Amino acid sequence: AQTVTQSQPEMSVQEAETVTLSCTYDTSESDYYLFWYKQPPSRQMILVIRQEAYKQQNATENRFSVNFQKAAKSFSLKISDSQLGDAAMYFCAYRSGSSNTGKLIFGQGTTLQVKP
Amino acid sequence: DAGVIQSPRHEVTEMGQEVTLRCKPISGHNSLFWYRQTMMRGLELLIYFNNNVPIDDSGMPEDRFSAKMPNASFSTLKIQPSEPRDSAVYFCASSFMMTGGGETQYFGPGTRLLVL
Repeated sequence: AQTVTQSQPEMSVQEAETVTLSCTYDTSESDYYLFWYKQPPSRQMILVIRQEAYKQQNATENRFSVNFQKAAKSFSLKISDSQLGDAAMYFCAYRSGSSNTGKLIFGQGTTLQVKP
Repeated sequence: DAGVIQSPRHEVTEMGQEVTLRCKPISGHNSLFWYRQTMMRGLELLIYFNNNVPIDDSGMPEDRFSAKMPNASFSTLKIQPSEPRDSAVYFCASSFMMTGGGETQYFGPGTRLLVL
């Protein structure tokens, strides 16, 4: 069974600085998708960025980028120029590319604090 | 687009009572997911529908839980009878599932359930 691990329960960053959130996963599959979701205090789950395992190029969305290391099964999220609005819990998630369930497997989450 | 709509946003009930959570997916999406979020277990998939048909209900904890999707624009998750350990945030998510997967799931705001 696939698992997702986020080893940092909490992280903090100074406003305008850069922070990296870690995520590792375990799978025997070669075809899969990885996601980062943000959950602010409102509890709404918001997609931040996604990565297809077959793509070597790291995904980027404005200030958010990932470092996808397929061999190491690592998928970290880098937030550049951190803003107060980035404060939230961040979840890493895995989805099999071969399964027909569409199930997302989530990590435990990392709470990010942004200091002014 | 209005996004995924869930109701109620908050529900407080007493043990033994029936609870019904409602979800309206994004128009045009063919897949609907119910997730539960607790401190102990994190985010976990309860059930997944594709084209209104339940495909994977392996995450449904007990017979007390049931879910229906009578049409493409409405789904319910029912707990009968409710127990204090059912207290959690319940999310509905929808997506347009394509062959090979990888589609993005869009989450509703969640229903915070408290069973006394």
